[in-house]
Formats: sequence, C-alpha cells, structure tokens
Amino acid sequence: NAGVTQTPKFQVLKTGQSMTLQCAQDMNHEYMSWYRQDPGMGLRLIHYSVGAGITDQGEVPNGYNVSRSTTEDFPLRLLSAAPSQTSVYFCASSYTQGPEPQHFGDGTRLSIL
Amino acid sequence: EDKVVQSPLSLVVHEGDTVTLNCSYEVTNFRSLLWYKQEKKAPTFLFMLTSSGIEKKSGRLSSILDKKELFSILNITATQTGDSAVYLCAGTNRDDKIIFGKGTRLHILP
Repeated sequence: NAGVTQTPKFQVLKTGQSMTLQCAQDMNHEYMSWYRQDPGMGLRLIHYSVGAGITDQGEVPNGYNVSRSTTEDFPLRLLSAAPSQTSVYFCASSYTQGPEPQHFGDGTRLSIL
Repeated sequence: EDKVVQSPLSLVVHEGDTVTLNCSYEVTNFRSLLWYKQEKKAPTFLFMLTSSGIEKKSGRLSSILDKKELFSILNITATQTGDSAVYLCAGTNRDDKIIFGKGTRLHILP
C-alpha cells in the first residue's frame, strides 16, 4: 500500500521556470490538499480539493494552480517560479472532507534560484 | 482571521521527564482539533479531538480539548529520545479548511 506518493523529492529551478509537483494516492480518498512548510511558519494550506473536478483556495494560493481530473491525482503547478516559493511542499489526503486525519506524502523540497 | 497558536515553540528536556505542549485556537465554525508528530519527513497523525473534556490516550501520549477556553494540551509522560520531533496542532472548520500552528520542537536529551 503506497499511500500518498509525491514526486520529485528534490528540485532546483531558476526564477521564471515552470514545473508541476505530482501527488498521487491509492486509498480512494476524496479530500486532497497541498501545503508548504517554511521554517518557523508551520504548514500553510495552498489549495485543496473535496473530490474530482472540485478545487478551492487555501491560505496561500497565489502563484500556484491545481486541478483534480481524477480521484487519485492532485498536481500542483508553479507557472513562473519565484524565490519566495522556495519551500518544502507536502501533499495530503483523507477519505472525506474534515475532520478526518490526513495522510501526508514525504514532501518535495523545492529551491528557486 | 482564523489562527492556531502553539507554545512553547521549542522545548528541551531530559529523558524520563513529563512534558505538556499547548495549543490555543481561534477558528470560526470550529469542527475539530488534530495533533501530528513530524520527525524527518511527513507528519504522522496522533489524535483527533472533537468533544470537550474527553481525554484521548495512546501509550505515554494523551490529549484533551477545552472548547470553552479554546485550547488543547498534549502530554507525554516518561519521555524517550524517540519522542524528539516537531509536534503540530491543527484546527479544522466546517468549510473544510485546516489551519496549522507553527509547531513545538521537542528535543529529549539522553
């Protein structure tokens, strides 16, 4: 049982480049979300989805896009990377929308030069 | 604005000590409070609390919620070096949003 899988684990980008962080879960979870974690800031919600075809903004959505075409996948897109987006990104999922405890992926460490 | 505040931000104790971690919250349409432990990678779930005054317990860890005073505590008794981690508290609301605190970094000295 793979749980929540994030790829890549590490990535370095130049300012202005675009990329997609992948997140997949094999638990048939309806609720998926993306967080960023910065030193001293805890986890901040970027975007979330309560099911296929439905997405919504979290606390810090600017500069990021998401889509949810299938239950399993929830990619996060950076259209034009900025140094302020240097962070560790976590994807999480749960069976239904809150207050279910979430299952987290191992994270993607992203550096923007 | 919804917020979750944890204290202390960091804590160093000796193995065998008992620690209490605090989490206060201001969450509109509050639904639940969750505790996670984060070691090197992904946070792992510890407790979910929805009712006041009912203690949840798992081994040496326990937690309780006070919905009147808007706080929760996480207790760890007889601490071990393996308890060293960042402990995260999160509040959820009825709009499906989850608000995390900044975490308490706990270090257990052997």
